Amino acid sequence: AQSVTQPDIHITVSEGASLELRCNYSYGATPYLFWYVQSPGQGLQLLLKYFSGDTLVQGIKGFEAEFKRSQSSFNLRKPSVHWSDAAEYFCAVGGYSSASKIIFGSGTRLSIRP
Amino acid sequence: DADVTQTPRNRITKTGKRIMLECSQTKGHDRMYWYRQDPGLGLRLIYYSFDVKDINKGEISDGYSVSRQAQAKFSLSLESAIPNQTALYFCATSDSRQGSYGYTFGSGTRLTVV
Repeated sequence: AQSVTQPDIHITVSEGASLELRCNYSYGATPYLFWYVQSPGQGLQLLLKYFSGDTLVQGIKGFEAEFKRSQSSFNLRKPSVHWSDAAEYFCAVGGYSSASKIIFGSGTRLSIRP
Repeated sequence: DADVTQTPRNRITKTGKRIMLECSQTKGHDRMYWYRQDPGLGLRLIYYSFDVKDINKGEISDGYSVSRQAQAKFSLSLESAIPNQTALYFCATSDSRQGSYGYTFGSGTRLTVV
């Protein structure tokens, strides 16, 4: 079965500190992986995506993610967080088949400590 | 104007009432989706449509129906609303030529059933 697990429901980090949000997936074929961010009261914005090639993917707002096939993981990182990064983050997996849909994890809420 | 527009943005309705949430897009995408977001559960797929004549149930379709009036319009109906349908609803679109990447989300409709 296809699934996405985000083990951390809520994380609090200090402004300026580094961040890593965890994501593990289960997918039968070659996965396409995504991270989305949802700011309070807003829709979902795509941060980055991985399809193939270099396993370290750069995204918007200074975020990056690393695909590790052996660990079925796609963790999101940022070297130094800003107060504006406070939001909910969703990891998602999909594929390229004609019937493919995106499956989302349950989300990780990020709070920033001043 | 937004690429994917959802109306209304917020709605409070009474138990047993029929309500329709509307989604329209200017992306020219052929595929459209309705997701529901609940705290701690992430986004769950309600219905999806790969073209005007193709409607499919998602993982949580009970209590919902949809209509694809045109390529650009996809409506979600709750025939008899119940309180546990209180949630944030998102419409999304994608291009079949791009598989499961390239989702564009609307800003969401916050529905409260009292």
